[in-house]
Amino acid sequence: NAGVMQNPRHLVRRRGQEARLRCSPMKGHSHVYWYRQLPEEGLKFMVYLQKENIIDESGMPKERFSAEFPKEGPSILRIQQVVRGDSAAYFCASSLGTGANYEQYFGPGTRLTVT
Amino acid sequence: DAKTTQPPSMDCAEGRAANLPCNHSTISGNEYVYWYRQIHSQGPQYIIHGLKNNETNEMASLIITEDRKSSTLILPHATLRDTAVYYCIVITEYGNKLVFGAGTILRVKS
Repeated sequence: NAGVMQNPRHLVRRRGQEARLRCSPMKGHSHVYWYRQLPEEGLKFMVYLQKENIIDESGMPKERFSAEFPKEGPSILRIQQVVRGDSAAYFCASSLGTGANYEQYFGPGTRLTVT
Repeated sequence: DAKTTQPPSMDCAEGRAANLPCNHSTISGNEYVYWYRQIHSQGPQYIIHGLKNNETNEMASLIITEDRKSSTLILPHATLRDTAVYYCIVITEYGNKLVFGAGTILRVKS
């Protein structure tokens, strides 16, 4: 049973470029979450999606960041016009259902470096 | 979601039980206690969760006090590979986001 997959594992972008981070949930999971971990800081929730719908984006920065989870294919976290402050580890998690009775399983993360 | 308080760090001898405490004195009746850990810079790993009863799985045991204001995660025979940051998280029954605090850095020493 494959776990949550994320790619790329490492991504280097110059300031002003776009970054696309992909997340394939565990088989059978239709709930996806994105979290960000800035250097020397804790993990922070960004967004929660269920197939084709954004359910909670309360942790997403207002500009330049967007997320989608299409009917087919992986979930994508897109960061436009990256800045140095976007350098962080981005983790995706998935779950079978929503609520406290459904554990979230995390992927290995994508480490974004903005030069 | 109720806030949690954990000691910043703990040491444990290899082969001994590691007991990690968590205080959640403002927890309400429909809030669950979850434990995750993060080894070095890997993705967080789910360990265990519970509502009011004690729980055990292949990784750990979770002991929740009767008043639910605190809990303890027990790793029965700690190994060097258990060195990690351990997070105690409280989440409501219908919650969908995990709120990570600073956690406890557990160092297992030989």
